[in-house]
Amino acid sequence: SQTIHQWPATLVQPVGSPLSLECTVEGTSNPNLYWYRQAAGRGLQLLFYSVGIGQISSEVPQNLSASRPQDRQFILSSKKLLLSDSGFYLCAWSPSGRETGELFFGEGSRLTVL
Amino acid sequence: GQNIDQPTEMTATEGAIVQINCTYQTSGFNGLFWYQQHAGEAPTFLSYNVLDGLEEKGRFSSFLSRSKGYSYLLLKELQMKDSASYLCAVMDSNYQLIWGAGTKLIIKP
Repeated sequence: SQTIHQWPATLVQPVGSPLSLECTVEGTSNPNLYWYRQAAGRGLQLLFYSVGIGQISSEVPQNLSASRPQDRQFILSSKKLLLSDSGFYLCAWSPSGRETGELFFGEGSRLTVL
Repeated sequence: GQNIDQPTEMTATEGAIVQINCTYQTSGFNGLFWYQQHAGEAPTFLSYNVLDGLEEKGRFSSFLSRSKGYSYLLLKELQMKDSASYLCAVMDSNYQLIWGAGTKLIIKP
């Protein structure tokens, strides 16, 4: 069966510090991978998605970047965090080869920037 | 612009029935999805509608009217564990999901 894990689950970082959130998927090949941010009272905001190794699409201009160094690994990074980067970050995957809205989410990472 | 509207919060009684509405305006339509999200956890998939009508899955049902840009999620025989946020999402013509802000459902004994 397929599983998805992301870490760390929670982190508190000072403004200006770097960030790295990691997500891995097991039990499937060439998944579509996504990074979302969820702010309180707002819908999920798609930050990045990837259909293959090294292929990253950014949905909104921001202080963040993403990389996919391996087929089932997706990393969200920042060189210098801003207060506005605080939020709940979710990694998700969907099967490749067909468009589907059924996403499978990781456990989430709650980031607080102070 | 693209927009998904759903009530911010609803309250219902254990054992009762509740209907959560969702209206949408999107660039094209390739399906509507409902997800459940417990506090502090990730969303989990509940249902998918692409054709008009009612889809039933146990205690949960989801309805779609494409001409009205409207859907609802119906929860029957409410249990305390149904307390969660319910997210409505629409897949647009570019196969991107547009998400509503979610409806927080509070179940009272």
